[in-house]
Amino acid sequence: SQQGEEDPQALSIQEGENATMNCSYKTSINNLQWYRQNSGRGLVHLILIRSNEREKHSGRLRVTLDTSKKSSSLLITASRAADTASYFCATDRAWGSTLGRLYFGRGTQLTVWP
Amino acid sequence: GAGVSQSPSNKVTEKGKDVELRCDPISGHTALYWYRQRLGQGLEFLIYFQGNSAPDKSGLPSDRFSAERTGESVSTLTIQRTQQEDSAVYLCASSLVPGKYQETQYFGPGTRLLVL
Repeated sequence: SQQGEEDPQALSIQEGENATMNCSYKTSINNLQWYRQNSGRGLVHLILIRSNEREKHSGRLRVTLDTSKKSSSLLITASRAADTASYFCATDRAWGSTLGRLYFGRGTQLTVWP
Repeated sequence: GAGVSQSPSNKVTEKGKDVELRCDPISGHTALYWYRQRLGQGLEFLIYFQGNSAPDKSGLPSDRFSAERTGESVSTLTIQRTQQEDSAVYLCASSLVPGKYQETQYFGPGTRLLVL
């Protein structure tokens, strides 16, 4: 079964607003990553947070991880029209899986209106 | 090369034909992954190569799908007797040696396959 599930499936906001996307997963992990995809093509890595970290920042991105709730959030501050894309979370599994394999959610489609 | 490359970018084929998709990973990356993404869906894991280890083929949907990798370089994904449900974007990714703490995966632009 799918490891990560993003919420909401779609999000529509105005430029300048903040966008928050959530990800829940099912099994213990070593780390969680967020990726971005434009127009159904290749994914671009945004940020990786390890299981012993609670929060991480990169530019306008802020990621949190709550391992007790098995959930993560991605916050994009001061959004821009260029942030319009699909955002995916991906996790590994701490046990019982092939080393190196990632499990992706279905993604959140973010639309930022100018 | 600077990144992961895939060819062709687009492929239109007739039902029943075989297709071969190619992936060139980033030089030095020992791990290579193939994913399938149907329209509006998430990524579906297909197969994973890591160095000289036996590949993880657990995601291949049927025996019509196969993949090979030459050493730590080029990989080809072959779909035999294509069906319309095989229509999707096929994405390849590579990473450095994965350890307990997962390395970032770098994705190619994908091959968009349409089976008529």
